[in-house]
Amino acid sequence: GAVVSQHPSRVICKSGTSVKIECRSLDFQATTMFWYRQFPKKSLMLMATSNEGSKATYEQGVEKDKFLINHASLTLSTLTVTSAHPEDSSFYICSASSSQAQANYGYTFGSGTRLTVV
Amino acid sequence: ELKVEQNPLFLSMQEGKNYTIYCNYSTTSDRLYWYRQDPGKSLESLFVLLSNGAVKQEGRLMASLDTKARLSTLHITAAVHDLSATYFCAVYTSGTYKYIFGTGTRLKVLA
Repeated sequence: GAVVSQHPSRVICKSGTSVKIECRSLDFQATTMFWYRQFPKKSLMLMATSNEGSKATYEQGVEKDKFLINHASLTLSTLTVTSAHPEDSSFYICSASSSQAQANYGYTFGSGTRLTVV
Repeated sequence: ELKVEQNPLFLSMQEGKNYTIYCNYSTTSDRLYWYRQDPGKSLESLFVLLSNGAVKQEGRLMASLDTKARLSTLHITAAVHDLSATYFCAVYTSGTYKYIFGTGTRLKVLA
């Protein structure tokens, strides 16, 4: 149980274009999902908390207009990197959990998306 | 602001040796997690520690939690090469419903 699917796993895009990353909870409903960014050999930085049916809560320093988050259903959250620049290149990871699983196992992480902007 | 620090940041050890990774956090928390990350991969859950004095063991890894000291340890016994990875602790704060990750410890076990 508690499987989180993230897609795509790798994407290369041109500067100025937008990229959408999907995070799905496959066998549970997730009212809350989290989006993280990880630079090479660094820790995970929380970008935003995605809440189903409402606006995402962004961490300080994260541009809301650059990183658009939509959590339209209990099983899907999307992160859109708009007008991508090379400095947006990074590893993006989502996480989610049912409230019951979270207490016992913690959040489950998606497989991550390696974004390269050229 | 909650801060989570791990030490050491890098650890190179011989197979068969023991070592401990430390995770310190700055405010009260009711849950602490340990994760493993292999290069280019996502995170794998290792342990969930829910109360003061909690100790959990899986194979050559053992994790413990001291909420009064705001300290968790991940102890490695008789290391093997397959344990080479980056290990993260993550602290959950019920007030904010967030995970904050530690700085990570990159472990390399030498054959």
